[in-house]
Amino acid sequence: ETGVTQSPTHLIKTRGQQVTLRCSSQSGHNTVSWYQQALGQGPQFIFQYYREEENGRGNFPPRFSGLQFPNYSSELNVNALELDDSALYLCASSTAGSGTEAFFGQGTRLTVV
Amino acid sequence: AQSVTQLDSQVPVFEEAPVELRCNYSSSVSVYLFWYVQYPNQGLQLLLKYLSGSTLVKGINGFEAEFNKSQTSFHLRKPSVHISDTAEYFCAVSRDYGGSQGNLIFGKGTKLSVKP
Repeated sequence: ETGVTQSPTHLIKTRGQQVTLRCSSQSGHNTVSWYQQALGQGPQFIFQYYREEENGRGNFPPRFSGLQFPNYSSELNVNALELDDSALYLCASSTAGSGTEAFFGQGTRLTVV
Repeated sequence: AQSVTQLDSQVPVFEEAPVELRCNYSSSVSVYLFWYVQYPNQGLQLLLKYLSGSTLVKGINGFEAEFNKSQTSFHLRKPSVHISDTAEYFCAVSRDYGGSQGNLIFGKGTKLSVKP
């Protein structure tokens, strides 16, 4: 067991709504990354948080935003949901530093209808 | 810019046969390469990683990969597969200098299907 937990596991939302996904990082990890995995695709990097600050962002619009809390857990918020936002959202926690391993949660399956 | 290409979207193979899953990368900076496995309805699990040193890297579950700088490849191999190896496999390169795995570029994945 990796120790990274995500909630909820499944979610159905309507186009235009907002959604919040949650991630509890593994004990001792101070870095959380979020990825979007569309059906049949590899995961795509959304952004990373290190010690509560955004520390890198992929090619995603501003309606994708995040937070990291003092206990290093994290939220991913998506506003104005679009049908193409339907995907598996993966959270990965790690420590900063060379070659450190990231541990992935099981993901949240978001369906936008 | 860095990118990863997995040359086969699906690989069917019989149980106890050898398998090779191909991965090519492009990067203008130092390369840190990884293979992950994803079982149905689960997250990603690290199989192995190349950061530096020996070009032959051994991972979990009997998998190994060879880093080939001249061919910009990082192919994954297993000499004898089991039914339980049926899963999707992702090759990835780290965006970060130093090779931390929090910021990865993934390939599109290869679905390995092991038949009895």
